[in-house]
Amino acid sequence: AQSVTQLDSHVSVSEGTPVLLRCNYSSSYSPSLFWYVQHPNKGLQLLLKYTSAATLVKGINGFEAEFKKSETSFHLTKPSAHMSDAAEYFCVVSITGTASKLTFGTGTRLQVTL
Amino acid sequence: DVKVTQSSRYLVKRTGEKVFLECVQDMDHENMFWYRQDPGLGLRLIYFSYDVKMKEKGDIPEGYSVSREKKERFSLILESASTNQTSMYLCASSLLLEGTGANVLTFGAGSRLTVL
Repeated sequence: AQSVTQLDSHVSVSEGTPVLLRCNYSSSYSPSLFWYVQHPNKGLQLLLKYTSAATLVKGINGFEAEFKKSETSFHLTKPSAHMSDAAEYFCVVSITGTASKLTFGTGTRLQVTL
Repeated sequence: DVKVTQSSRYLVKRTGEKVFLECVQDMDHENMFWYRQDPGLGLRLIYFSYDVKMKEKGDIPEGYSVSREKKERFSLILESASTNQTSMYLCASSLLLEGTGANVLTFGAGSRLTVL
């Protein structure tokens, strides 16, 4: 069985300050992990992915995430928030090679204020 | 640029109506998915298909059916719409990352369905 927990449903930061969106996972197998972003009234877009290569993964728009097996975490970070980062972010765990076994977190809404 | 296109962005239907949601992808992907997105619940898998005419139930298939007659097209059908099916519906197709077997999803923009 696999599961993913996004620890915050809502995060608010000021523009120019760091962003931290937290994700913990549970998986019986070596997981693949993803972060997707959803801007208002849009579909989800892949931000970054971890697939058992480097534990620090860089994605688009300056985001990165670190896979920590000992902590079963895959937190998403960005050094400096921009207004355009305001969106909903989803952490996803996948069992490799199984098309249907993608488990989504419940999402974290990021608000960026001036 | 790769694309998943959902034919209707917004629909309003009445209870008991039959509803068709259409999804087309131009990436030659084998796998296609229908998800339902509700606030606080994340995305839940309704059905998926790994080949033409093949389908598998996801986590919440009740009240829904699907059709995949061509590789690029995956339709979601609500035989008799109910108010509890008011939701955002997202279609996706997937590519298996070479050497990893991990699925990467490409999503459509979504279809927001309201059932009155």
